[in-house]
Amino acid sequence: DAKTTQPPSMDCAEGRAANLPCNHSTISGNEYVYWYRQIHSQGPQYIIHGLKNNETNEMASLIITEDRKSSTLILPHATLRDTAVYYCIVRVYGTASKLTFGTGTRLQVTL
Amino acid sequence: DTGVSQNPRHKITKRGQNVTFRCDPISEHNRLYWYRQTLGQGPEFLTYFQNEAQLEKSRLLSDRFSAERPKGSFSTLEIQRTEQGDSAMYLCASSPDRANNEQFFGPGTRLTVL
Repeated sequence: DAKTTQPPSMDCAEGRAANLPCNHSTISGNEYVYWYRQIHSQGPQYIIHGLKNNETNEMASLIITEDRKSSTLILPHATLRDTAVYYCIVRVYGTASKLTFGTGTRLQVTL
Repeated sequence: DTGVSQNPRHKITKRGQNVTFRCDPISEHNRLYWYRQTLGQGPEFLTYFQNEAQLEKSRLLSDRFSAERPKGSFSTLEIQRTEQGDSAMYLCASSPDRANNEQFFGPGTRLTVL
């Protein structure tokens, strides 16, 4: 699986959009971008995934650049409950393969 | 609650003792994964089951570690002769056998080896 690079930490004011970047310059054509988050003392939670088109669900939006070398996870209206470590993972879609986590981005949402 | 459950949630043991953790996946999920997470790091893959078959093992899974899923439902992870370096959070995840196989994680078992 391709390697990903994320900033170690970010801050965001409650109610504002949180934009979390991820670089995956070695991504292959059959690899998708997945995002998970881990709230303190809990297991990771799936957020969203995508191939090349922008994706949106009830939790977040995923913007993938045209060359697919980077992506941004957007939490449109961050709340204190969104404080967590966010992991960007590249993985071949449709396989049973393991998730390869990096160290992620620690997002702190503040009042 | 029909999510992934893990027991115990916390385990403190002395070096050299054996420990066993249990994972109950979401019903009808035939894929089950074990991960280990140390402080400040992301989870690291240990092993994967498809039903009762153990299909992949990480090199992190030393000879002291053994995992089973005898009937393709719950799974156990045993660590023999524990070492202080085994102290970590042990996470279990399950997923259905379909294309969008997002993994659903349990709350983890935190192991402390004294």
